[in-house]
Amino acid sequence: EIVMTQSPATLSVSPGERATLSCRASQNIGINLAWYQHKVGQAPRLLIYDTSSRATGIPGRFSGSGSGTEFTLTIDSLQSEDFAIYFCQQNNKWPPLTFGGGTKVEIK
Amino acid sequence: QVLLVQSGAEVKKPGASVKLSCKASGYTFTHYSMHWVRQAPGQRLEWMGWINCNTGDTKYSQNFQGRVTLTRDTSSSTAYMELSSLISEDTAVYFCARPVNYADYLDFWGQGTLVTVSS
Repeated sequence: EIVMTQSPATLSVSPGERATLSCRASQNIGINLAWYQHKVGQAPRLLIYDTSSRATGIPGRFSGSGSGTEFTLTIDSLQSEDFAIYFCQQNNKWPPLTFGGGTKVEIK
Repeated sequence: QVLLVQSGAEVKKPGASVKLSCKASGYTFTHYSMHWVRQAPGQRLEWMGWINCNTGDTKYSQNFQGRVTLTRDTSSSTAYMELSSLISEDTAVYFCARPVNYADYLDFWGQGTLVTVSS
């Protein structure tokens, strides 16, 4: 099973600043990685797939990069609605699909 | 628009079974598969299984040791997840999620169903 590890667990950022989130895979997954945003009481929302492609309707301030085992989600100029939990997911080798533990982006 | 509407919250005793539903609308049900994922309190998302909504083929997580059964009813565009021999650690929010049409990224999710296992 591929283990996904995210860091940091919590990121404190001021509105308007940039947030940089990391996700590491326990083995090479190519670019088969997605990022999701999750708010309490809501369903997760797909942000980025194939490491760097934005899903439909996702603003340009969200961008993804990386390959192999190291991946990054960058959120430029954080808006109030961006404060949430973000998690990564690999689909390179499944079953099982595996998810990271999440990074909580909170207001500084 | 694509909607996945899940059944309501359940409270079960240890050892019981629970069967959750996920009714799909806004797309052709048999053209996509469905995944089931759960999140226990304070834990990461955990993948449970996958069903091909056309053929009924399934794949399951070994972590559940045969306790999960996925089915679907094409006439009502509804997917089902049954979890048996419930234990307190099965207390979680359960989601159905539809993947995109070319890869297993989950672009539409149900609202989630809380299952509480308590004696």
